[in-house]
Amino acid sequence: AQTVTQSQPEMSVQEAETVTLSCTYDTSESDYYLFWYKQPPSRQMILVIRQEAYKQQNATENRFSVNFQKAAKSFSLKISDSQLGDAAMYFCAYRTSANTGNQFYFGTGTSLTVIP
Amino acid sequence: DTEVTQTPKHLVMGMTNKKSLKCEQHMGHRAMYWYKQKAKKPPELMFVYSYEKLSINESVPSRFSPECPNSSLLNLHLHALQPEDSALYLCASSLLPGTPPGQPQHFGDGTRLSIL
Repeated sequence: AQTVTQSQPEMSVQEAETVTLSCTYDTSESDYYLFWYKQPPSRQMILVIRQEAYKQQNATENRFSVNFQKAAKSFSLKISDSQLGDAAMYFCAYRTSANTGNQFYFGTGTSLTVIP
Repeated sequence: DTEVTQTPKHLVMGMTNKKSLKCEQHMGHRAMYWYKQKAKKPPELMFVYSYEKLSINESVPSRFSPECPNSSLLNLHLHALQPEDSALYLCASSLLPGTPPGQPQHFGDGTRLSIL
């Protein structure tokens, strides 16, 4: 089974600064999909950004971008110009591309605090 | 606003009670999921339904009984729960792999369950 590791249980960042959350994964597949989800204290999981493994270009969504290193099996999330509303739990997730792959594998999460 | 609707938002029940959690989506998704989540932890997969058929059961105790009566609705029937079952129960849905591939899961707000 695939495993997803987030080695930083907690992170903090000053408002308007940049922070990077790390994620590594273990898989023998060559084609798959990676996601970052955000879960604010209100508890709804929200998709932040998605990356296809076959694409070399790193995904970007406004202030959120990823650094996808396929050979190293690394998928970090960079948040630029951090805002108070970015404070949340962040989960990295992996999904296989196989037609039977309905299962998502989640990392253990990183709790991000934004300091005013 | 979430496109996956869960009811009730909060539920308190005794260990001898029978209750049900409900999840509804109208996005045409044919994969639906139940997760259990403890505070500051990632979601733990419980069940996956594909085309209204149970495809994954992660060794969940029989006091949890899922049901998928149609493509829009997913229920979780609860009976004789234990205090350790107190948690946030999340429902999610997604397009199935290959339709197109790499689709994210969309989560509901969850039901916060407390067992007395």
